[in-house]
Order: sequence, then structure tokens, then C-alpha cells
Amino acid sequence: AQSVTQLGSHVSVSEGALVLLRCNYSSSVPPYLFWYVQYPNQGLQLLLKYTSAATLVKGINGFEAEFKKSETSFHLTKPSAHMSDAAEYFCAVSDRAGIIRKLIWGLGTSLAVNP
Amino acid sequence: NAGVTQTPKFRVLKTGQSMTLLCAQDMNHEYMYWYRQDPGMGLRLIHYSVGEGTTAKGEVPDGYNVSRLKKQNFLLGLESAAPSQTSVYFCASSYGASGGLTDTQYFGPGTRLTVL
Repeated sequence: AQSVTQLGSHVSVSEGALVLLRCNYSSSVPPYLFWYVQYPNQGLQLLLKYTSAATLVKGINGFEAEFKKSETSFHLTKPSAHMSDAAEYFCAVSDRAGIIRKLIWGLGTSLAVNP
Repeated sequence: NAGVTQTPKFRVLKTGQSMTLLCAQDMNHEYMYWYRQDPGMGLRLIHYSVGEGTTAKGEVPDGYNVSRLKKQNFLLGLESAAPSQTSVYFCASSYGASGGLTDTQYFGPGTRLTVL
């Protein structure tokens, strides 16, 4: 069965500091991986996705993620945090092995950015 | 384009009451989804649809029904609301290429439902 684990439910960084949000997956088939962001009182929107092309994926708002098969990881990074990055971030894997066409979601990481 | 819209934004029900949540998308997407979001539990798929006139159960379908009579609309019904259905409900849609597996899902702003 496929699964996603986000390490750290809350992460706090200073403005201008590196943002690193961790996501590890478990999958018996090559995974399709996603990062979504949810700003307060809004729906989710896609940051970036990995669909078996380049292992380093660039997304919106300066975020990027690297697919590392050997580490079963898909960590999200941004070189310099901005106050507007404060949000909830969700990692997800597409359930390629299941019957239901769904994304398997991590529990989310809340990012706080301190001035 | 409005994208994905949801009606209503907020609702308070009493136990046993019924209601329908409406989701509409103007992107001509084939696939539509209903999720619920609860603290500490992430997003859970309730029902989904891969095309007009089709629906399928997700992870947590009990207590909910859905209909997709028109391609652009996906309705979620609660026949007899229970306090356990207090949640934030999100609708999403996607193009439907590759069986939806690599799709970007586009989310609505959510409906905050409280059942007393």
C-alpha cells in the first residue's frame, strides 16, 4: 500500500531563512508525488508535482522539491522564506496501485515565518 | 474563469437535518471530488466522479450521497446530519488525463459545516 509521511507537523523559520519541509513516501510502484499549499481559510493549490520526468521539480513561489528514490523522499525547499509563505503544506502520492482514483495525503505541515 | 466554486461557505445544522452542498467548475474538467478536512486527519476522499452521470465511493462515503447530473456540477448531500460530520468540506476538479493519476486538482474555497 502507498503512504505518505510528513515529518514535523509544525515548522517555524525566520524570514529569509531556508525552508525545508520533509515528505517520505512508501510505494510499491514508481510514485507520482505532489505538494499542495493551503493558505488560511482557503482551498488547496498545487505547488509542484513529480511525474517521473526530471527529479528536481520547480514550482510556484520559488519552491522546489527533489525526488530521491534511494531515500524515498520528496522534500520541499525554498532558499529564502517570506512572510507570505506562512501556510499549511501537504504532500501527496497518487494511488497508482489502488482501485479508487485518489491522492493519498500526508497530515500536513504548518509553516510559520517569523519576522 | 471562476475556477471551482462552492455553495454555501458556512452552514450550521441540527442533528438529523439534511442539506446539499453544491460544487461548480467552469474548466470543463471530467473528474470531480469531494473531500473532508478534519484536524489531525488530513484530507479524506468522500466520493468522486470521473464524468457526467458517474459517481464512485471514496474512503469515507458513509452518510453522504452525491450526484453529477451535469458535467460542471457535483452535489454532496447529507440526508441526516450527525455531529461527526462537522468538518470543512472541499470540492476539487481535475482534467482527467492519464486516469487522473498525474492530474493537478483544483480546489474550491471550502464549506465549513457545523452539526449541533
